[in-house]
Amino acid sequence: DGGITQSPKYLFRKEGQNVTLSCEQNLNHDAMYWYRQDPGQGLRLIYYSQIVNDFQKGDIAEGYSVSREKKESFPLTVTSAQKNPTAFYLCASSTHDRAEAFFGQGTRLTVV
Amino acid sequence: AQTVTQSQPEMSVQEAETVTLSCTYDTSESDYYLFWYKQPPSRQMILVIRQEAYKQQNATENRFSVNFQKAAKSFSLKISDSQLGDAAMYFCAYLLSYDKVIFGPGTSLSVIP
Repeated sequence: DGGITQSPKYLFRKEGQNVTLSCEQNLNHDAMYWYRQDPGQGLRLIYYSQIVNDFQKGDIAEGYSVSREKKESFPLTVTSAQKNPTAFYLCASSTHDRAEAFFGQGTRLTVV
Repeated sequence: AQTVTQSQPEMSVQEAETVTLSCTYDTSESDYYLFWYKQPPSRQMILVIRQEAYKQQNATENRFSVNFQKAAKSFSLKISDSQLGDAAMYFCAYLLSYDKVIFGPGTSLSVIP
């Protein structure tokens, strides 16, 4: 079945380490997004990409990096520069012609 | 810049009753898309209903319907015959083609048995 897969579901990171969250979709969607959600809060946009090899910063891009080498994949790296990385991260994708937006199941990142 | 506002941080409804969640947005565009997403405690984002701005007819999906007022830039969600499983965070979202999805801050809905 088509969908978006995020992995891992839970991730633990030591302070000072970089960590990469995976997001893969087989929906043939052009656009992909990364959002951060803190407890009891809404979704804040980190980065988004409308096309392969191109991406734009969202509202809270500092301390994060992304790549879009393939249409299906949009990995997010949480760098050591991110001061408070413990959060729930959601990946989404959408298609321009039908404007559908779907989400992965999320990754819970905890800094230990 | 486009923005989405949900003025009700929390709402509650009696089981089997009807509740309406409010959403307003700001845009200068004429052709866009609006969504309501549900996020239960599992944190999975589930698409509830979708509305194309060029369609005047309000979207409906079983017990869920919207009241789309384009001139007023309002997009409210009505849940009829509320069930315990409807308890969740509800997010209103706006999408402009070839641009990003923008979310409101969310409304936490409780269903009282």
